[in-house]
Amino acid sequence: EIVMTQSPATLSVSPGERATLSCRASQSISSNLGWYQQKPGQAPRLFIYGASARASGIPARFSGSGSGTEFTLTISSLQSEDFAVYYCQQYNNWPLTFGGGTKVEIK
Amino acid sequence: EVQLLESGGGLVQPGGSLRLSCAASGFSFTSYAVSWVRQAPGKGLEWVSSISGIGDRTYYADSVKGRFTISRDNSKDTLYLQMNSLRAEDTAVYFCAKPDSGSHHTFDYWGRGTLVSVSS
Repeated sequence: EIVMTQSPATLSVSPGERATLSCRASQSISSNLGWYQQKPGQAPRLFIYGASARASGIPARFSGSGSGTEFTLTISSLQSEDFAVYYCQQYNNWPLTFGGGTKVEIK
Repeated sequence: EVQLLESGGGLVQPGGSLRLSCAASGFSFTSYAVSWVRQAPGKGLEWVSSISGIGDRTYYADSVKGRFTISRDNSKDTLYLQMNSLRAEDTAVYFCAKPDSGSHHTFDYWGRGTLVSVSS
């Protein structure tokens, strides 16, 4: 099983600042990685697939990068609606696995 | 509009069984593998199981293999999860999810979830 490790667990950022979230895979997953946002009481929402492709309706301030084992989700200028938990997910191998999440909170 | 509506959750004793359903609409159900993903209270996401579009291939997390069975009825556009030998650690919100057309294994539509509580 591929283990996905996200860091940091919590990121405190002021509105308008840049946020950088990391996700590491225990073995190479090529570019087979997605990112999700989840707000309390809601289902997750797909933001990024293929490590860097934005899903439909996702603003350009969100960007994904990386390949192999190291991946990054960058939010260029945090808006109030961006404060949430973000999960990465690999789909290179079965079983599909998620990271433990990074909570982006208001500083 | 794509919609996924889960049902069948509830309170069950350890060792008991429960069957979840997910009614899909707004897309060509047969064309997509669909999945169950769960989230324990206050915890992260855990993929549970997936089934191919015609139901000939199934995949399971090790944590549920041998206890859970995924199936689908394409004539009813409905996904199922039969859960047997339930344990306290199976307590979670269970989401059904549809894969996006790009990657086929990330999920662009999710239901609201149904809560399964395993407790005596």
